[in-house]
Amino acid sequence: QKEVEQDPGPLSVPEGAIVSLNCTYSNSAFQYFMWYRQYSRKGPELLMYTYSSGNKEDGRFTAQVDKSSKYISLFIRDSQPSDSATYLCAIPSRDAGNMLTFGGGTRLMVKP
Amino acid sequence: ETGVTQTPRHLVMGMTNKKSLKCEQHLGHNAMYWYKQSAKKPLELMFVYSLEERVENNSVPSRFSPECPNSSHLFLHLHTLQPEDSALYLCASSQVYEASGMSSYEQYFGPGTRLTVT
Repeated sequence: QKEVEQDPGPLSVPEGAIVSLNCTYSNSAFQYFMWYRQYSRKGPELLMYTYSSGNKEDGRFTAQVDKSSKYISLFIRDSQPSDSATYLCAIPSRDAGNMLTFGGGTRLMVKP
Repeated sequence: ETGVTQTPRHLVMGMTNKKSLKCEQHLGHNAMYWYKQSAKKPLELMFVYSLEERVENNSVPSRFSPECPNSSHLFLHLHTLQPEDSALYLCASSQVYEASGMSSYEQYFGPGTRLTVT
């Protein structure tokens, strides 16, 4: 079983839709959970991160962690064409000096 | 220049060529990373340099050879590559806390070098 798994998509939605992006992970010791966004022909950039369980909101973005299910989600409200990108979940491992394990990324397309 | 820069942005090379990828970070960080990103696969960590020492190799083939002359510069030397090595090679940097040896969670990425091996 991979440590972090993510549906590759692509996910195509109309502008204004609510988007749900998800990852599952296998190591129950993970505590921090991160979301990176990668635009075409660019490197990934950190979008937001959460600690342990619960929700964290930042503008139109909400990150949610369910540690009991080992499931993390990123919700995008009122999606815009500029949100079209690949979204990668990443989890640092304290046992490895906080090296990041990435999911494969979900490609999102928001159509005007 | 700001952030993390990588050159060249695109590279096409034959299987017998030797080339080098360059990365420079302008963030004052003390750890740098090489990742390989292939289509439909997770980012693969190739090499880590923390405080100018290599700390992670991840069983990368010897046809990839990293070099970190100082905390701001990182190279990836390539020789006798295979077509399956075609991918986006990303460089990243972060801050490592010397007392604990632990990295901050956020890594800053460069735009990548798109490598095609023919």
